[in-house]
Amino acid sequence: DQQVKQNSPSLSVQEGRISILNCDYTNSMFDYFLWYKKYPAEGPTFLISISSIKDKNEDGRFTVFLNKSAKHLSLHIVPSQPGDSAVYFCAASGSGATNKLIFGTGTLLAVQP
Amino acid sequence: DTGVSQNPRHKITKRGQNVTFRCDPISEHNRLYWYRQTLGQGPEFLTYFQNEAQLEKSRLLSDRFSAERPKGSFSTLEIQRTEQGDSAMYLCASSLDPTVSKEYFGAGTRLSVL
Repeated sequence: DQQVKQNSPSLSVQEGRISILNCDYTNSMFDYFLWYKKYPAEGPTFLISISSIKDKNEDGRFTVFLNKSAKHLSLHIVPSQPGDSAVYFCAASGSGATNKLIFGTGTLLAVQP
Repeated sequence: DTGVSQNPRHKITKRGQNVTFRCDPISEHNRLYWYRQTLGQGPEFLTYFQNEAQLEKSRLLSDRFSAERPKGSFSTLEIQRTEQGDSAMYLCASSLDPTVSKEYFGAGTRLSVL
């Protein structure tokens, strides 16, 4: 049972436009949500997070929105840049003392120049 | 801050052989995690250490897998009698602050079992 789902395996966006990556989850006990970016041959790199008590968190070009009633979160990148091209993983934690992360399957973002 | 270091980066082995991977976390981080990632999937949790104590193991971690973190510093993950299904990227992550769940990942060890 996939507790964190990313239903879009890939997304292609023009440089300068907005990229919107989506994530759905099933476990209402999650209390933290994170986005990681992964380039080939590198480990995932933390991008931005949001606590379950908030509905928006912004950091520069990156904004994460959380809709708890829909169990849905999204990552907005504005404006998109070619260097943003990578695999983006949504992750959730909080269902236990270890704070281990439960990851989605990832979305490959391609930003076209 | 030198980041999380994993060695080796790549390991090719024959089915039935034992392999061992090493992870050096960020020095002040007391929490250490191992994950496994297969093609087309996100990382999946394997095990967690707080200092030297192994506090949680996933059902994915069969009896052939063992992990240690002596003295709460580096960690090793050993796979005995490797099988082709063990082929994957093994990722190590460390963290300090449990309140925000932010983990720092190494580049991983890619295991290929022939």
